[in-house]
Amino acid sequence: NAGVTQTPKFQVLKTGQSMTLQCAQDMNHNSMYWYRQDPGMGLRLIYYSASEGTTDKGEVPNGYNVSRLNKREFSLRLESAAPSQTSVYFCASSAPGLRFEQPQHFGDGTRLSIL
Amino acid sequence: KQEVTQIPAALSVPEGENLVLNCSFTDSAIYNLQWFRQDPGKGLTSLLLIQSSQREQTSGRLNASLDKSSGRSTLYIAASQPGDSATYLCAVHQAGTALIFGKGTTLSVSS
Repeated sequence: NAGVTQTPKFQVLKTGQSMTLQCAQDMNHNSMYWYRQDPGMGLRLIYYSASEGTTDKGEVPNGYNVSRLNKREFSLRLESAAPSQTSVYFCASSAPGLRFEQPQHFGDGTRLSIL
Repeated sequence: KQEVTQIPAALSVPEGENLVLNCSFTDSAIYNLQWFRQDPGKGLTSLLLIQSSQREQTSGRLNASLDKSSGRSTLYIAASQPGDSATYLCAVHQAGTALIFGKGTTLSVSS
C-alpha cells in the first residue's frame, strides 16, 4: 500500500545544476500536485495537474517545469538550480471530483539543498 | 487574499489532557477546510476534511469544527497521548485556488 512515492529523498546540488524530482501514486487519482515547504512560509503550491495531459501553475512556479507523464507519474524539474530553491518538496494526489474538494494524500518529501 | 493563521505556534501538554488547536481564515468563501498531521521528516497525513456546508467532523479522539461565518475552525484532541506529538496544519480551499495552508501548531505531549 505505497500511496504517493517520491524519489530521491535527499539531494544536494550546486548552483546551476539541473535535476528532476519524481513522484508516482498508485491510488488511481486524477489530480496531482507539487508543493514546497519552507520554514516560516508554510506549504506553497508550485504546479498541479488536474488530469493526465494537463498542468497549471500554482503560487510559486518560477524556476520549475513539470511533466504529467501518465496518470501515475508527475515530475518536477529544476532547469538551473538556485540557492533560493533549497526546500522540502512534497508531491500529493487526490481522487476524482472537483479537484480541490477531495482529501490530498502526500508523499514523504524530497529534501533538496542547493549550494 | 486569503490568509490562514494558526495559534498557538507551539503547545506542550501532559498526557491525558484534552486540548484545542485553533485555525482562523480571513475569507469565509471556502469550499472546505482540512486538518493535517505532519511528523518530523515526513509528509502530511489528512486527518479530517470539513465541507463548507458542515459544522463538524469526528474521527476517533479527534473532532474538528467549522464556523465559516466567523472564519474559524478548531481541532479538539481528547485524552492526548505522546503519540499525538506532531505538527498540525489546517488548510482551506477556495474556488480557483490551491489549498492555502497555515504555518501549523507543533504539539508536544509528555508522558
